[in-house]
Amino acid sequence: GAGVSQTPSNKVTEKGKYVELRCDPISGHTALYWYRQSLGQGPEFLIYFQGTGAADDSGLPNDRFFAVRPEGSVSTLKIQRTERGDSAVYLCASSSRPGTGIGGELFFGEGSRLTVL
Amino acid sequence: DQQVKQNSPSLSVQEGRISILNCDYTNSMFDYFLWYKKYPAEGPTFLISISSIKDKNEDGRFTVFLNKSAKHLSLHIVPSQPGDSAVYFCAASAANTGTASKLTFGTGTRLQVTL
Repeated sequence: GAGVSQTPSNKVTEKGKYVELRCDPISGHTALYWYRQSLGQGPEFLIYFQGTGAADDSGLPNDRFFAVRPEGSVSTLKIQRTERGDSAVYLCASSSRPGTGIGGELFFGEGSRLTVL
Repeated sequence: DQQVKQNSPSLSVQEGRISILNCDYTNSMFDYFLWYKKYPAEGPTFLISISSIKDKNEDGRFTVFLNKSAKHLSLHIVPSQPGDSAVYFCAASAANTGTASKLTFGTGTRLQVTL
């Protein structure tokens, strides 16, 4: 498709389980971002990839969260030992250029809603 | 520490009238500002942006105003249409610094345009 694709759209898991969320960016977009949106809040930055490397992972809340983008296209966000506080919508976005200045507007996917019971 | 603030969680406007959504920021390093619109069960979509070298940017029915001294920006929608009903997020970045990789979002304002 033409837009950012995220799977699964919904994921329900039990506390302590491992979860993977996948993002397929817009073709040709080199920059890829993960954000997390909790109820009643705006999207919160997690990690930014430029190509295959994580250029900025300062938003990852702790070492249970990890993301990869091995071939510079699809990215996977991995959450170990999930906690109830991890429940949120995880948004992926891509951009045609690095940075968020003029021309670097982000295109978001529909998100993956994670519920940890 | 909320660096981007949208103090009005909701706003109701009659169709055809002007909608004004407000946003304040605290980080003086922010130099690029964007508005995103979000419908339920969809991701945010880019609406309009403004660089700190400008004080106004217009695109059709949408105009963004930036007051750097007050660290305040606003989005004007005129005339408002029912299809504008959505949650609007203000976002900011320090595009010319080392933190250009991230957008900082406000908590959003839910706009409802009534008939």
